[in-house]
Amino acid sequence: QLQLHESGPGLVKPSETLSLTCTVSGGSISSSGYFWGWIRQPPGQGLEWIGNIFYSGTTYYNPSLKSRVTISMDMSKNQFSLELNFVTAADTAIYYCARRGSRTNLLVVPAIDYWGQGTLVTVSS
Amino acid sequence: DILMTQSPSSLSASVGDRVAIACRASESISNYLNWYQQKPGKVPKLLIYATSSLQNGVPSRFSGGGSGTDFTLTIINLQPEDFATYYCQQSYSTPITFGQGTRLEIK
Repeated sequence: QLQLHESGPGLVKPSETLSLTCTVSGGSISSSGYFWGWIRQPPGQGLEWIGNIFYSGTTYYNPSLKSRVTISMDMSKNQFSLELNFVTAADTAIYYCARRGSRTNLLVVPAIDYWGQGTLVTVSS
Repeated sequence: DILMTQSPSSLSASVGDRVAIACRASESISNYLNWYQQKPGKVPKLLIYATSSLQNGVPSRFSGGGSGTDFTLTIINLQPEDFATYYCQQSYSTPITFGQGTRLEIK
């Protein structure tokens, strides 16, 4: 059974960098056909896609965050990471890591089928 | 960006009812439309992918339909555990976008 687990600080100061890591177990992030990414949800609000990294290493970011976001992967540790620079209070949210199947690969489910449990990150001084 | 608009934003229904939630895309997304259920304090759960395919383990009282820009999630014979917030999401193009959510409440 695939499992994803987010880790990182729960409190970040304004203007600093939010850094989170997602550790994947029960499967490999190098498996073809999958994106590994981040989604966030401000308290009481809806879901916002931040970006993802394809198994090949290609990254895709939400244009609204692109100038501040970096997603990377470490295949040796079966982990992928998120960095969000220059955070403000508006970046306070539950951050989920997740797996999404590519719609061009007929062998996978073309949707977000596995999620981490989520981690609340608060931006405050 | 493709804008996803759900209606209604909230809905009251009773156990045993049939409900339908609509999702409209601002441009055609073919059939690349997925539905998720989220209960308070919990992680979103995939219900339906590619418009009408039921994810493993999801009860058959859930169904999806539509194509192009207009899609529907239908739940028949509502059960107490179905009261939650539902989100549609398009996977046709990046950025991936979600609807604003539909909160299904007990009447």
